[in-house]
Order: sequence, then C-alpha cells, then structure tokens
Amino acid sequence: AQKITQTQPGMFVQEKEAVTLDCTYDTSDQSYGLFWYKQPSSGEMIFLIYQGSYDEQNATEGRYSLNFQKARKSANLVISASQLGDSAMYFCAMREGHTGGFKTIFGAGTRLFVKA
Amino acid sequence: DVKVTQSSRYLVKRTGEKVFLECVQDMDHENMFWYRQDPGLGLRLIYFSYDVKMKEKGDIPEGYSVSREKKERFSLILESASTNQTSMYLCASSPPSQGVGAKNIQYFGAGTRLSVL
Repeated sequence: AQKITQTQPGMFVQEKEAVTLDCTYDTSDQSYGLFWYKQPSSGEMIFLIYQGSYDEQNATEGRYSLNFQKARKSANLVISASQLGDSAMYFCAMREGHTGGFKTIFGAGTRLFVKA
Repeated sequence: DVKVTQSSRYLVKRTGEKVFLECVQDMDHENMFWYRQDPGLGLRLIYFSYDVKMKEKGDIPEGYSVSREKKERFSLILESASTNQTSMYLCASSPPSQGVGAKNIQYFGAGTRLSVL
C-alpha cells in the first residue's frame, strides 16, 4: 500500500491565486515528520515546509502553509499568491522509523503549472 | 549554503557496463542517500548511509551497490547496467537525525539523468 498519496498528477493555477496540493499519508507511528519539497525544471529538490506529528499549529513558511489534519492523515500544501516561478513538481514526503534508523518516503508528485 | 554536487548531469551507457555515479557534499553531513526518480513513482530510496563505511539498503537496492569511504562522498555503483536502470538519480545529504519526527531536511543534488542503451 502506498504510504504517501498525491492524487493530483497535474494542476493549473492562475497567477496570483492560491492553490492547494493534496497529500495523504499512512502510518501507524505516533511520531513522524511531514515535508514538502519543490523540484523546478533544473532538477534540484528544494525543501519548502515541515510539520511534526505533535505540532498543534499548522506550519507556515512565507507563501507556503501546510494544512495538517492529523485524524484524516492529510498534509496539504497551500501556496498563496501563486507566481510564475512556482511552476514545478511538488513532492510530499514523510519521515518515519525504519530498521537501522529513519527513512523518508516520497509521494509520486504533483506538477503545478502557473498561468500568466 | 549546503552544496551537494553530482558529478554528471547526463550520462549515456551501454548495457552491461559498470557505472559509477558520484556525489559530494560540503556540509559535513553524516547522512547521505541515493534515490531514483521515475514518472508516476516519485523518489524511491536505493541506499543510504549514516556514517563512513556504513550503508543500509533502501526500498530498491537490487542491481546497485554503494561506497562511502569518506564522509563527504557517496558513490552509487551499477555493477552491470541494464535498460531498466534508465532513470534520474538523485543524491541527498542531511545532518544527524534527532528523532523520527525531527525537522531533518534533506539537501539534494541536481540529479544525474542516466540512459542505458
């Protein structure tokens, strides 16, 4: 079973509008971390935002916010005031315990297109 | 700024060749990772390393091996390249882990797009 599910292979948004990228996760651990990364066409993955499983407040980083609904196991990324430079692949990821340490599991990604 | 450098952006190899993908990080990170990225599948962990000379298998280690002789360098080796190993390969590094739920950010290289013909 997939541990990280991103149901939107592609999304379009008009410049200056807000967009929500969906992410659901599956874990039986109580302690875990949730991450979003951005991958522009250059290929280099860039960290955007983090949410710990015990954090009560939704994480925010500038125009990025994470809508964390623990009971529903969802961690949606909200980008406000979209810019052309936001066009990229976005990956949701979860860090959980693993034999020998920890590992991070990534979803399949959502490609965001920002229209002028 | 953290810098993770992968030796090649594009690589074309023939079936059966031994292939080395090199990754160097300059932040003295203990943890290093190799992923492959395929459309629709996201990133899948091949191998990771928590320290020099240590390695752990990820989710898809078959057909790959790794080497970490120095802290800053983590090499991925395809012993006998096959066409199904055509993919984008991403290297990453991170500081020591402080707990499973910790904000342990991974820093990525720009990737190596490998084609095996």
